[in-house]
Amino acid sequence: DGGITQSPKYLFRKEGQNVTLSCEQNLNHDAMYWYRQDPGQGLRLIYYSQIVNDFQKGDIAEGYSVSREKKESFPLTVTSAQKNPTAFYLCASSIYTGGSGADTQYFGPGTRLTVL
Amino acid sequence: GQQVMQIPQYQHVQEGEDFTTYCNSSTTLSNIQWYKQRPGGHPVFLIQLVKSGEVKKQKRLTFQFGEAKKNSSLHITATQTTDVGTYFCAGSDMRFGAGTRLTVKP
Repeated sequence: DGGITQSPKYLFRKEGQNVTLSCEQNLNHDAMYWYRQDPGQGLRLIYYSQIVNDFQKGDIAEGYSVSREKKESFPLTVTSAQKNPTAFYLCASSIYTGGSGADTQYFGPGTRLTVL
Repeated sequence: GQQVMQIPQYQHVQEGEDFTTYCNSSTTLSNIQWYKQRPGGHPVFLIQLVKSGEVKKQKRLTFQFGEAKKNSSLHITATQTTDVGTYFCAGSDMRFGAGTRLTVKP
């Protein structure tokens, strides 16, 4: 919701091309996340970052890369190594609670990527 | 990571009927969160449960966290067409259940 932006909303790419999805937040959240959602499916965690200049692989990190150079930004690159990149990509952020686990996540509007 | 299983996958009800979705974890959770995603939209946070046996209410929605902190439920009383969407639970390790898609017939 408010405070997280993702761009663009729709993205079309040719097979074999890398593409970078943008995610920006102004909520001053330490933690940011990337999820992938396929039609009629749940959310699968790609990468997450709990602090600037650090990030961790999620369950489906292969074929993706991220960077976290600034607190407010967490771009995701879908590389040509990703076998089935067409999906709905959701970015989220939250307060980082350390050992207490994830706190409330605020999601951006998502980017629908279609690879032709 | 933790596995969060959610049932049922789909639920179709007549407007006015009740609805319940269940979430079960293979391990003890620090907390559990519930989200709602409207068709074509993105997940929106509904509530977080932290304490064992906790029950919270939001108007017609009742959320429960099991005593062992391994399961949770969301119950909607007297569904309305505005309740349509997919309801997800999420464990404290950021893993989401597969969701329950609710459709409501007017």
